[in-house]
Amino acid sequence: SQQGEEDPQALSIQEGENATMNCSYKTSINNLQWYRQNSGRGLVHLILIRSNEREKHSGRLRVTLDTSKKSSSLLITASRAADTASYFCATLNTGGFKTIFGAGTRLFVKA
Amino acid sequence: DTAVSQTPKYLVTQMGNDKSIKCEQNLGHDTMYWYKQDSKKFLKIMFSYNNKELIINETVPNRFSPKSPDKAHLNLHINSLELGDSAVYFCASSQGGEEGYTFGSGTRLTVV
Repeated sequence: SQQGEEDPQALSIQEGENATMNCSYKTSINNLQWYRQNSGRGLVHLILIRSNEREKHSGRLRVTLDTSKKSSSLLITASRAADTASYFCATLNTGGFKTIFGAGTRLFVKA
Repeated sequence: DTAVSQTPKYLVTQMGNDKSIKCEQNLGHDTMYWYKQDSKKFLKIMFSYNNKELIINETVPNRFSPKSPDKAHLNLHINSLELGDSAVYFCASSQGGEEGYTFGSGTRLTVV
Protein backbone atom coordinates (compact mmCIF):
# COMPACT_ATOMS: atom_id res chain seq x y z
CA SER A 1 0.00 0.00 0.00
CA GLN A 2 1.12 3.53 -0.63
CA GLN A 3 2.69 5.21 2.39
CA GLY A 4 3.51 8.78 1.50
CA GLU A 5 0.95 10.92 -0.25
CA GLU A 6 1.97 14.25 -1.71
CA ASP A 7 -0.18 17.31 -1.91
CA PRO A 8 -0.82 19.01 -4.25
CA GLN A 9 -0.65 16.63 -7.19
CA ALA A 10 0.42 19.48 -9.42
CA LEU A 11 1.67 23.00 -8.77
CA SER A 12 2.31 25.81 -11.24
CA ILE A 13 4.19 28.93 -10.17
CA GLN A 14 6.18 31.82 -11.61
CA GLU A 15 9.94 31.89 -11.48
CA GLY A 16 11.13 33.55 -8.29
CA GLU A 17 8.15 32.40 -6.21
CA ASN A 18 8.39 29.83 -3.46
CA ALA A 19 6.98 26.33 -3.91
CA THR A 20 5.65 24.26 -1.03
CA MET A 21 4.81 20.59 -1.31
CA ASN A 22 3.38 18.46 1.46
CA CYS A 23 3.60 14.78 2.27
CA SER A 24 1.50 12.74 4.67
CA TYR A 25 2.18 9.22 5.81
CA LYS A 26 0.48 6.62 7.95
CA THR A 27 2.90 4.66 10.12
CA SER A 28 5.91 5.32 12.34
CA ILE A 29 8.98 6.12 10.35
CA ASN A 30 12.74 5.89 10.66
CA ASN A 31 13.31 8.67 8.14
CA LEU A 32 11.63 10.60 5.36
CA GLN A 33 13.32 11.52 2.11
CA TRP A 34 12.56 13.85 -0.77
CA TYR A 35 13.54 13.12 -4.35
CA ARG A 36 13.32 14.99 -7.65
CA GLN A 37 12.63 13.37 -11.00
CA ASN A 38 13.09 15.24 -14.25
CA SER A 39 11.09 13.99 -17.20
CA GLY A 40 12.54 10.76 -18.57
CA ARG A 41 15.21 10.54 -15.89
CA GLY A 42 15.87 8.66 -12.69
CA LEU A 43 15.15 10.01 -9.25
CA VAL A 44 17.70 12.22 -7.54
CA HIS A 45 17.96 12.25 -3.77
CA LEU A 46 17.50 15.77 -2.37
CA ILE A 47 17.36 15.52 1.39
CA LEU A 48 16.79 13.04 4.20
CA ILE A 49 15.29 13.94 7.56
CA ARG A 50 15.29 11.52 10.46
CA SER A 51 12.37 10.96 12.80
CA ASN A 52 14.10 12.83 15.63
CA GLU A 53 14.71 15.92 13.48
CA ARG A 54 12.22 18.70 12.86
CA GLU A 55 13.81 20.79 10.14
CA LYS A 56 16.62 20.55 7.62
CA HIS A 57 18.07 22.87 5.02
CA SER A 58 20.03 22.30 1.88
CA GLY A 59 20.66 25.30 -0.35
CA ARG A 60 17.24 26.61 -1.46
CA LEU A 61 15.49 23.58 0.04
CA ARG A 62 13.89 23.48 3.45
CA VAL A 63 12.25 20.34 4.80
CA THR A 64 10.15 20.09 7.94
CA LEU A 65 8.88 17.00 9.68
CA ASP A 66 6.01 16.78 12.15
CA THR A 67 5.83 13.24 13.45
CA SER A 68 2.78 14.00 15.60
CA LYS A 69 0.83 14.89 12.44
CA LYS A 70 2.70 12.35 10.32
CA SER A 71 3.49 14.99 7.75
CA SER A 72 6.40 16.71 6.05
CA SER A 73 6.78 19.68 3.78
CA LEU A 74 9.36 20.62 1.16
CA LEU A 75 9.87 24.31 0.49
CA ILE A 76 11.83 25.46 -2.56
CA THR A 77 12.64 29.14 -2.29
CA ALA A 78 13.22 31.50 -5.21
CA SER A 79 12.22 28.85 -7.74
CA ARG A 80 13.81 28.60 -11.16
CA ALA A 81 12.58 27.13 -14.43
CA ALA A 82 15.13 24.33 -13.90
CA ASP A 83 13.22 23.28 -10.77
CA THR A 84 10.42 22.00 -13.01
CA ALA A 85 10.17 18.31 -12.16
CA SER A 86 8.21 15.78 -10.13
CA TYR A 87 8.98 15.68 -6.43
CA PHE A 88 8.48 12.53 -4.39
CA CYS A 89 8.51 11.91 -0.69
CA ALA A 90 9.55 8.50 0.54
CA THR A 91 9.43 6.94 3.98
CA LEU A 92 11.40 4.20 5.65
CA ASN A 93 9.19 2.58 8.26
CA THR A 94 10.50 1.91 11.74
CA GLY A 95 12.07 -1.52 11.72
CA GLY A 96 11.50 -1.85 8.00
CA PHE A 97 13.86 -2.49 5.15
CA LYS A 98 12.02 -0.80 2.35
CA THR A 99 11.47 2.80 1.44
CA ILE A 100 8.00 3.50 0.08
CA PHE A 101 7.35 6.32 -2.33
CA GLY A 102 4.33 8.54 -2.77
CA ALA A 103 2.77 9.43 -6.12
CA GLY A 104 4.63 12.73 -6.39
CA THR A 105 3.89 16.41 -6.95
CA ARG A 106 4.47 17.80 -10.43
CA LEU A 107 5.97 21.25 -10.20
CA PHE A 108 5.91 23.64 -13.16
CA VAL A 109 7.97 26.80 -12.86
CA LYS A 110 7.17 29.31 -15.56
CA ALA A 111 9.94 31.60 -16.76
CA ASP B 1 31.63 7.54 -13.85
CA THR B 2 27.96 6.67 -13.65
CA ALA B 3 27.12 5.60 -10.09
CA VAL B 4 24.19 3.29 -10.92
CA SER B 5 23.97 2.14 -14.50
CA GLN B 6 21.19 0.16 -16.10
CA THR B 7 21.09 -1.48 -19.48
CA PRO B 8 19.31 -1.31 -21.77
CA LYS B 9 17.73 2.15 -21.56
CA TYR B 10 14.90 1.14 -23.87
CA LEU B 11 13.48 -2.31 -24.50
CA VAL B 12 10.67 -3.07 -26.94
CA THR B 13 9.60 -6.68 -27.15
CA GLN B 14 6.68 -8.90 -28.01
CA MET B 15 4.36 -10.61 -25.58
CA GLY B 16 5.61 -13.97 -24.42
CA ASN B 17 9.30 -13.16 -24.80
CA ASP B 18 11.89 -13.40 -22.03
CA LYS B 19 14.12 -10.42 -21.33
CA SER B 20 16.74 -9.25 -18.84
CA ILE B 21 17.69 -5.86 -17.46
CA LYS B 22 21.11 -5.39 -15.93
CA CYS B 23 22.15 -3.06 -13.14
CA GLU B 24 25.56 -2.22 -11.73
CA GLN B 25 26.64 0.23 -9.03
CA ASN B 26 30.14 1.46 -8.34
CA LEU B 27 29.37 3.22 -5.05
CA GLY B 28 30.32 0.33 -2.78
CA HIS B 29 26.77 0.19 -1.44
CA ASP B 30 25.62 -3.04 0.17
CA THR B 31 21.92 -2.85 -0.76
CA MET B 32 20.30 -2.77 -4.19
CA TYR B 33 16.68 -2.46 -5.30
CA TRP B 34 14.35 -2.79 -8.23
CA TYR B 35 11.41 -0.42 -8.50
CA LYS B 36 8.65 -0.29 -11.11
CA GLN B 37 7.19 3.07 -12.15
CA ASP B 38 3.85 2.91 -13.89
CA SER B 39 2.28 5.36 -16.31
CA LYS B 40 0.93 7.45 -13.42
CA LYS B 41 4.47 7.84 -12.06
CA PHE B 42 3.77 5.71 -9.01
CA LEU B 43 6.93 3.90 -7.83
CA LYS B 44 6.53 0.46 -6.36
CA ILE B 45 9.30 -1.60 -4.84
CA MET B 46 9.76 -5.06 -6.28
CA PHE B 47 12.91 -6.56 -4.78
CA SER B 48 15.83 -5.70 -2.56
CA TYR B 49 19.14 -7.45 -1.99
CA ASN B 50 21.58 -6.83 0.83
CA ASN B 51 25.04 -8.27 0.21
CA LYS B 52 23.62 -10.69 -2.36
CA GLU B 53 20.85 -11.85 -0.03
CA LEU B 54 17.19 -11.27 -0.91
CA ILE B 55 15.58 -9.19 1.85
CA ILE B 56 12.49 -7.80 0.14
CA ASN B 57 10.27 -9.67 -2.26
CA GLU B 58 7.00 -7.90 -2.79
CA THR B 59 3.95 -9.54 -4.36
CA VAL B 60 5.53 -9.66 -7.75
CA PRO B 61 4.57 -12.39 -10.27
CA ASN B 62 7.11 -15.19 -10.21
CA ARG B 63 7.78 -14.45 -13.87
CA PHE B 64 10.11 -11.80 -12.42
CA SER B 65 13.34 -13.21 -11.03
CA PRO B 66 16.13 -11.08 -9.62
CA LYS B 67 19.70 -12.29 -9.52
CA SER B 68 22.59 -10.76 -7.61
CA PRO B 69 25.93 -12.34 -8.54
CA ASP B 70 27.75 -9.92 -6.23
CA LYS B 71 26.82 -6.88 -4.20
CA ALA B 72 27.60 -4.52 -7.08
CA HIS B 73 25.17 -6.16 -9.50
CA LEU B 74 21.44 -6.82 -9.44
CA ASN B 75 19.84 -8.10 -12.61
CA LEU B 76 16.16 -8.60 -13.36
CA HIS B 77 14.94 -11.39 -15.60
CA ILE B 78 11.37 -11.41 -16.82
CA ASN B 79 9.77 -14.49 -18.38
CA SER B 80 6.69 -14.61 -20.60
CA LEU B 81 6.29 -10.86 -20.86
CA GLU B 82 2.77 -9.44 -20.73
CA LEU B 83 1.31 -6.13 -21.88
CA GLY B 84 0.89 -5.06 -18.25
CA ASP B 85 4.63 -5.34 -17.68
CA SER B 86 5.14 -2.20 -19.74
CA ALA B 87 6.62 0.39 -17.41
CA VAL B 88 9.88 2.05 -16.44
CA TYR B 89 12.05 -0.11 -14.21
CA PHE B 90 14.52 1.59 -11.92
CA CYS B 91 17.48 0.10 -10.15
CA ALA B 92 18.74 1.83 -7.01
CA SER B 93 21.35 1.32 -4.33
CA SER B 94 21.95 2.52 -0.80
CA GLN B 95 24.26 1.88 2.08
CA GLY B 96 22.56 -0.05 4.83
CA GLY B 97 19.07 0.72 3.59
CA GLU B 98 18.67 3.69 5.94
CA GLU B 99 20.30 6.35 3.80
CA GLY B 100 19.21 8.03 0.62
CA TYR B 101 18.99 5.97 -2.53
CA THR B 102 20.97 6.48 -5.71
CA PHE B 103 18.88 5.64 -8.74
CA GLY B 104 19.80 4.52 -12.21
CA SER B 105 18.32 6.34 -15.19
CA GLY B 106 15.70 3.67 -15.77
CA THR B 107 14.79 1.09 -18.41
CA ARG B 108 11.64 1.82 -20.37
CA LEU B 109 10.08 -1.55 -21.20
CA THR B 110 7.36 -1.66 -23.83
CA VAL B 111 5.59 -4.94 -24.48
CA VAL B 112 3.68 -5.09 -27.76
